[in-house]
Amino acid sequence: EAQLVESGGGLVKPGGSLRLSCAGSQFNLSDYSINWVRQAPGKGLDWVSSISSSSNFIYYADSLRGRFTTSRDNAKNSVFLQMNSLRAEDTGVYYCVRDGRTILEYWGQGTLVTVSS
Amino acid sequence: SYVMTQPPSVSVAPGQTARMTCVGNNIGSKSVNWFQQKPGQAPVLVVHDDSDRPSGIPERFSGSNSGNTATLTITRVEAGDEADYYCQVWDSTSDHYVFGTGTKVAVV
Repeated sequence: EAQLVESGGGLVKPGGSLRLSCAGSQFNLSDYSINWVRQAPGKGLDWVSSISSSSNFIYYADSLRGRFTTSRDNAKNSVFLQMNSLRAEDTGVYYCVRDGRTILEYWGQGTLVTVSS
Repeated sequence: SYVMTQPPSVSVAPGQTARMTCVGNNIGSKSVNWFQQKPGQAPVLVVHDDSDRPSGIPERFSGSNSGNTATLTITRVEAGDEADYYCQVWDSTSDHYVFGTGTKVAVV
């Protein structure tokens, strides 16, 4: 079964930056669009970004206002989320999710990002 | 942007049927997916394309979608079904994925 593993989360001060990585296994990640979905503590799911298999199409939630950038390196079977100008409200678990024709079919276990001084 | 509203909570006795709604403008024209999330775990897809089940998901889980309301139904509810449930669609107008507000199912 397809597996995704996120890494790069941690504690960062407001205004700081963090880069998350997503690695895929048991499937060829380069064949799929990949999404980032986050969940603030005790809150619901919030879609962040989507990147197509060849990086031709990249979409972001309107609320991010250009602070986040999604990229991928298919040769390394990885997708990245660069997060800049981080705010307290960006705190939460960030999930990497494989996209199967607009179905968010496989989820990683998530990586926790905490923005706090 | 597209908005979907779910009831905050649903309570159901073991062995009974739980139904939860996802209300959105003309949601019947979209494909709805449903996720189950247990505490401390990643969401799991339980219904896709309105009413299809991924392999490994029990037949007790079913979905429907028409007009302004999509519905997830769980029959013969078990204690292990206690979780948060989220509906989700792809909004082609904005090229965004959208999640519903979520429903907490309590088995009491």
